[in-house]
Amino acid sequence: NAGVTQTPKFQVLKTGQSMTLQCAQDMNHNSMYWYRQDPGMGLRLIYYSASEGTTDKGEVPNGYNVSRLNKREFSLRLESAAPSQTSVYFCASSVTGELNTEAFFGQGTRLTVV
Amino acid sequence: AQSVTQPDIHITVSEGASLELRCNYSYGATPYLFWYVQSPGQGLQLLLKYFSGDTLVQGIKGFEAEFKRSQSSFNLRKPSVHWSDAAEYFCAVGARGYNKLIFGAGTRLAVHP
Repeated sequence: NAGVTQTPKFQVLKTGQSMTLQCAQDMNHNSMYWYRQDPGMGLRLIYYSASEGTTDKGEVPNGYNVSRLNKREFSLRLESAAPSQTSVYFCASSVTGELNTEAFFGQGTRLTVV
Repeated sequence: AQSVTQPDIHITVSEGASLELRCNYSYGATPYLFWYVQSPGQGLQLLLKYFSGDTLVQGIKGFEAEFKRSQSSFNLRKPSVHWSDAAEYFCAVGARGYNKLIFGAGTRLAVHP
């Protein structure tokens, strides 16, 4: 049972480059989320998708775009990477959009922008 | 605004000692409360959760947490810490109908032999 799978695990980008972080879940969950984790700041929600076909902004959406490709996949795109986007990115999913059940997390993507 | 405060950034305990990690929340609605643990280089794993009912909840790995509405707190406890408990612990709050789970900044736990 793979759960939530993120690719890549590590990435180094130059300022201005673009890239897409991929996330897939095999638990038939409705809702998916992208968080970034920075030292001393916990996890901050970037975007989420309560159900297939919908996406909404979280706390820190600037500089990012997302696509809910289907029920399984939710990608995060950085169009023009900046050093401030150096972070660890986590994808998560949950059964319902109300988060009243457990959220399952991927292993994270460590992104460095130089 | 909704927020979660974990007052202790780092805590060090000796193996076998008891542990309490603090969590305070600010939330307008009836909260759903969670504790997650993150081992180095890993994702987050749910330790326990509170939605309603008994205010003392049991989780995995011998952890428990107590919801105190009057103090807006949801502190995590373990009676005897093991070296494998060294990790970062995150408190989080959500609510029914609210699609955003808000996390605290985390508490890093070190365990001395």
